[in-house]
Amino acid sequence: KAGVTQTPRYLIKTRGQQVTLSCSPISGHRSVSWYQQTPGQGLQFLFEYFSETQRNKGNFPGRFSGRQFSNSRSEMNVSTLELGDSALYLCASRPTSGRAGEQFFGPGTRLTVL
Amino acid sequence: DAKTTQPPSMDCAEGRAANLPCNHSTISGNEYVYWYRQIHSQGPQYIIHGLKNNETNEMASLIITEDRKSSTLILPHATLRDTAVYYCIVRALIQGAQKLVFGQGTRLTINP
Repeated sequence: KAGVTQTPRYLIKTRGQQVTLSCSPISGHRSVSWYQQTPGQGLQFLFEYFSETQRNKGNFPGRFSGRQFSNSRSEMNVSTLELGDSALYLCASRPTSGRAGEQFFGPGTRLTVL
Repeated sequence: DAKTTQPPSMDCAEGRAANLPCNHSTISGNEYVYWYRQIHSQGPQYIIHGLKNNETNEMASLIITEDRKSSTLILPHATLRDTAVYYCIVRALIQGAQKLVFGQGTRLTINP
């Protein structure tokens, strides 16, 4: 099976712009989670979707949003970009019957905000 | 989720066993210990998890102390490709909840 894919892999934006990142989970996986990784804060949970519904949300401002489609693909959106949003954004999926803590991560999208 | 403490960095010689410790003194009875690793510029990769018994798979072994307040991940024959940041995570096995809380991890360097 193909792994989790994320597009684009690299992105450069300027302050105030908005950005949409895409994640395609492993075939058959219905749960998708998003994480932000920065040198200062490490890996932080953003939100999780299951069957098109947000099931869990981390401590991030409302500028960060997401959604999931009927085919389990997910997008996250960041509006009014700030310099501090520069980070590696990781998507992870897991099967419904899998071990609760075992997630399969994609390679990430590296976002640079200038 | 219980907090974990790991050394920030460790070195190991290629071919030797790498033993990565993790303290989780506030772990609850229903919380599992998970290990992930992140090789540079890649997403984290699941390695192994356990509750109270020692566990082994094709990647590593997990030794959990009897009081469950600490654990050790063992890579039996480390190779250069095992150079990565290793994260110890403690969380309850809650169906449906996917949030993983990552600490700073241990940066393991395998030396030739």
